[in-house]
Amino acid sequence: GQQLNQSPQSMFIQEGEDVSMNCTSSSIFNTWLWYKQDPGEGPVLLIALYKAGELTSNGRLTAQFGITRKDSFLNISASIPSDVGIYFCAGQLAAGNKLTFGGGTRVLVKP
Amino acid sequence: DGGITQSPKYLFRKEGQNVTLSCEQNLNHDAMYWYRQDPGQGLRLIYYSQIVNDFQKGDIAEGYSVSREKKESFPLTVTSAQKNPTAFYLCASSLSTDTQYFGPGTRLTVL
Repeated sequence: GQQLNQSPQSMFIQEGEDVSMNCTSSSIFNTWLWYKQDPGEGPVLLIALYKAGELTSNGRLTAQFGITRKDSFLNISASIPSDVGIYFCAGQLAAGNKLTFGGGTRVLVKP
Repeated sequence: DGGITQSPKYLFRKEGQNVTLSCEQNLNHDAMYWYRQDPGQGLRLIYYSQIVNDFQKGDIAEGYSVSREKKESFPLTVTSAQKNPTAFYLCASSLSTDTQYFGPGTRLTVL
């Protein structure tokens, strides 16, 4: 079956830094989604991408749908403490199909 | 307010007992989904339903059962056949042509 590899698994941020994470697949998807999950809560949709090559922003977040349809990237600019959480990518073959999730990137604050 | 609700937030069960988790949505979404999340892991699909009175097994359906008698409701029963039921359970819903939105989750602990 399809698998999504998300990296890095975890990262430490310092306020003001830019953060990048990515997701790669063994096969193509036609939709890429990025979610953020706070501890003990459900994931919240951040950005949805529907077209290969698409670059979409949501405030300080920018995500790209890879041209090969097998990868996606999420960037957070000028990080702030509330950016801490777990970020998940998810791929979908077609609308209404089930999602395949990556393992998540845990964003933590540098001590 | 429109949204997805899950109840209860925390649930405790004795080993060998069945337990039912509630998921309700008033978004008029056609499709509903149940996921399981283990600590430090991504989301795994248990069951999903794209229309009333119909549902399909996901990747880890063994030991679980569902029903979809109403569009708004998609309860999940964790049966005694589930070998390791302690986990965080997330319900999601979507329009047939749109992305999935998640509820706040139910944390189930087997004592």
